[in-house]
Amino acid sequence: AQTVTQSQPEMSVQEAETVTLSCTYDTSENNYYLFWYKQPPSRQMILVIRQEAYKQQNATENRFSVNFQKAAKSFSLKISDSQLGDTAMYFCAFMKWDNDMRFGAGTRLTVKP
Amino acid sequence: GAVVSQHPSWVICKSGTSVKIECRSLDFQATTMFWYRQFPKQSLMLMATSNEGSKATYEQGVEKDKFLINHASLTLSTLTVTSAHPEDSSFYICSARGGYNQPQHFGDGTRLSIL
Repeated sequence: AQTVTQSQPEMSVQEAETVTLSCTYDTSENNYYLFWYKQPPSRQMILVIRQEAYKQQNATENRFSVNFQKAAKSFSLKISDSQLGDTAMYFCAFMKWDNDMRFGAGTRLTVKP
Repeated sequence: GAVVSQHPSWVICKSGTSVKIECRSLDFQATTMFWYRQFPKQSLMLMATSNEGSKATYEQGVEKDKFLINHASLTLSTLTVTSAHPEDSSFYICSARGGYNQPQHFGDGTRLSIL
């Protein structure tokens, strides 16, 4: 079974600074997908970024980028120029081909003014 | 695009009643829908996976007779919590996927409170 580990229950960052959230996973699969979802206090799940395992290039979406290390099974999220609206729970997720998604325990990020 | 609507957003009911939660994909056809449960300050736990026109696949430990799932069309799945009790109180979230290797799009969740 695939497991997703987020070792940082809580993190904080000053507004406009950069923060990196860690995620590791365990799988024997070669083809899979990785995601970062954001869950603000409203509890809505918002897709932040996705990465296909077969792609070597790290995915980027504006201020959000990932550091995907396939051999190390690591998938960290970097948030640049942090904004107050980035305050939320962040979940790392793993999805095998045509399968369901497994989530990490989450990291609560607080952006301080 | 890829909007998923979930209703109701909040329901309070007495112990012993049944509650139905709807999950609709508004602008795409969802071949697969997922139901999650989330306790406060915890992650999403998958309860079941439903494919249109077939029986849902439940995760280990989830009572299929208590959590009835129906996925009768490509745009609608329902979760019915039968004979609900206070321990069933939780936040339930659905998601829908348009096809293989597509990300899941989530509804806004339903806060269920059983008195």
